[in-house]
Amino acid sequence: QVQLVESGGGVVQPGKSLRLSCAASGFSFSNYGMHWVRQAPGKGLEWVANIWSTGKNQYYADSVKGRFSISRDNSRSTLFLQMNTLSAEDTAIYYCARESSGTTVSFDFWGIGTQVTVSS
Amino acid sequence: DIQMTQSPSSLSASVGDRVTITCRASQSIGYYLNWYQQKAGKAPKLLIYDASNLQSGVPSRFSGSGSGTDFTLTVTSLQPEDVATYFCQQSYSVVYTFGQGTKLEIK
Repeated sequence: QVQLVESGGGVVQPGKSLRLSCAASGFSFSNYGMHWVRQAPGKGLEWVANIWSTGKNQYYADSVKGRFSISRDNSRSTLFLQMNTLSAEDTAIYYCARESSGTTVSFDFWGIGTQVTVSS
Repeated sequence: DIQMTQSPSSLSASVGDRVTITCRASQSIGYYLNWYQQKAGKAPKLLIYDASNLQSGVPSRFSGSGSGTDFTLTVTSLQPEDVATYFCQQSYSVVYTFGQGTKLEIK
C-alpha cells in the first residue's frame, strides 16, 4: 500500500536551516509529482512547494520562495525540502503529499507529517 | 493568488442530518476544486476531486457540486465519524490555495 513517511523535523533557532525527507513506498515514485503542504498550530493548510515527477520543474508559495528548495531522488524514492533562513512563521507540521495521476492536481495520499518548530 | 473562502467556519448538526459546506473562489476556476477531510491529529484525506468525483473508498453520503466560483460539499445523513474539519482546495493555478476550513461537530 502507498506509504509516505516524513522525517527531519525538530526544534531549530531562527535563521537556521533544516532539511526534511519523505520516504515513499508502495507505488512507482518516479511517475508522480510530489508536494509539501504545511499546517501552523491551530491553522489551516498551506501549500508550500511541488516538484514534477522528473524533477525538472519546481514551484513555490511566495511565503517560502528563495528560502526553501524542493528536490527528489527517484532512485531512492525520496522527496526533500531544504529550508533555510527559518523564522517563527515557518513553525508548522509539514506533510508530503502525492499528486494524483488524473488530469488535474489533487493530493491523494499524505504522510503523517513532521513537526518543525522555530524558536530561540 | 486565488483566494478560497469557505462558509460556515464551524457547524454543528445532528446525526442523520444533511449538511452543506460552501466554498467560493475569488475568480473562476472551472471544476478545478477538491475537498479534503481532516480528523483531529491526523493528515488530511481526499474526499472529492474535480468538484464532483468521489475518491475511491469514500462513503457515498459525501458529494460535491459546482463550477466556476461556487462549490458545495454535501454530507447526507451525517454520521458520528464525520466529525472533522473540511477544506476545499483549488488546482486551477499552480499556487494551490486552500480554504480556511469548516469545523463540523455533532450536536
